[in-house]
This record gives sequence, structure tokens and C-alpha cells, in this order.
Amino acid sequence: DTGVSQDPRHKITKRGQNVTFRCDPISEHNRLYWYRQTLGQGPEFLTYFQNEAQLEKSRLLSDRFSAERPKGSFSTLEIQRTEQGDSAMYLCASRRKPGVFTTGEKLFFGSGTQLSVL
Amino acid sequence: GENVEQHPSTLSVQEGDSAVIKCTYSDSASNYFPWYKQELGKRPQLIIDIRSNVGEKKDQRIAVTLNKTAKHFSLHITETQPEDSAVYFCAASYTGTASKLTFGTGTRLQVTL
Repeated sequence: DTGVSQDPRHKITKRGQNVTFRCDPISEHNRLYWYRQTLGQGPEFLTYFQNEAQLEKSRLLSDRFSAERPKGSFSTLEIQRTEQGDSAMYLCASRRKPGVFTTGEKLFFGSGTQLSVL
Repeated sequence: GENVEQHPSTLSVQEGDSAVIKCTYSDSASNYFPWYKQELGKRPQLIIDIRSNVGEKKDQRIAVTLNKTAKHFSLHITETQPEDSAVYFCAASYTGTASKLTFGTGTRLQVTL
């Protein structure tokens, strides 16, 4: 169990460019979340996957944002035509499937990708 | 949807004193309430959580209390140490299909020597 991994840690891009972030959840976790965190605020929910199915998207997720989890393992978050308002920390988190010995509530975060749009 | 309010936004205590952070939530269906600690530039880390069928939970110097009727919950840190300095976030969720957490705006705790 190496924890949730995110790549890259930092991304600087020019306005209008596309960016893609990757998240590798904890291996036995089937549920994956993307959150966005701006300075001085708590993380805000963006989208949720159970296995490969994207089951919920926040109103915060505009048409320029798309997320995938093609094989139910790693996930990618793409932002097209970036805007300065997209500058934030993008956090990925995962949790395990409820089972006999756990309700699977605990959410574990990655270290995030800090996006700066110039 | 759920709305979580957190107070205070900043808190300064002397080493050895206690610190209390309070949160309120709006959705009576919420049944899971974790607390996260985030140091500068690092990931939020779960430090303690409580489910709605429990009124209080303690783990060494950290405790959380929950009042379902009033829809508020609190984090208590006793015998604070400089390494407790960080931003603390409360959160709430209903452990249904998505179980997504709604976070408070955070409390910056500074423990001074």
C-alpha cells in the first residue's frame, strides 16, 4: 500500500492550453474521487468513479473538464482551453469497497497536482 | 446539497493548551464526519472520524464529539504541541452511493511555544 499517487506534482501552463493529470489510487480501492482546492478553502468535489463508471459530476465541472478511469484503476483529469480561474490544487482520493470488516468510509488523498495557469 | 460551516478560521494556542474547532452541517441525512489535517504543501490526512451512531470518539490527544440534534460536531485537541500546527478541515457525508465529502473552509491552528 503505497498510497494515492498523483502526477505531475506541479504544472504551469499558458491560458488556452490543455492539461492532463493522472491519479493512481490505492490498489484495492474501487472508488475514486477528484477534488479541487483553492488557497484558503476546503477541497471541493468534482467527480466520482466506482470502478470504471463515472457516477457523479459536480456543477463545478464545466464542459472543458473531462475525467476517465478506463480500466477501473488509474484515472485522468483533462482540462481543455485552460483559464486563469482553473489555477488550483487538484486532489485525487480513493476509498475501498465496503466489506465484511469495513464500511469503506475512509477517504485517502493523494498529494495533489498544483496547476498554475498564466 | 450539504453545507458545512467551520469556526474559527484561525486559532492560536500556547503549547500545552487545548484547542477546539467547531463545525455545523445542514443535511440531516449526513452520517459520517471525518477530520483532516493538512500541513503546508501536503495532502489532507485523516486524523479521526465519527459516525452518527456514536456521540464521542477519542484517539490519544484528539477527540471528536457529535450532536446530531443540533447538527454540529467538534474537534478537541488536548496538550497541544508545535507539530499540531496545520490547517484542519471538518467534513460531512452520507454514506450512500457516492459518499462524497463536503468540507468546511478550514481552521489554521498555530501552536506557539
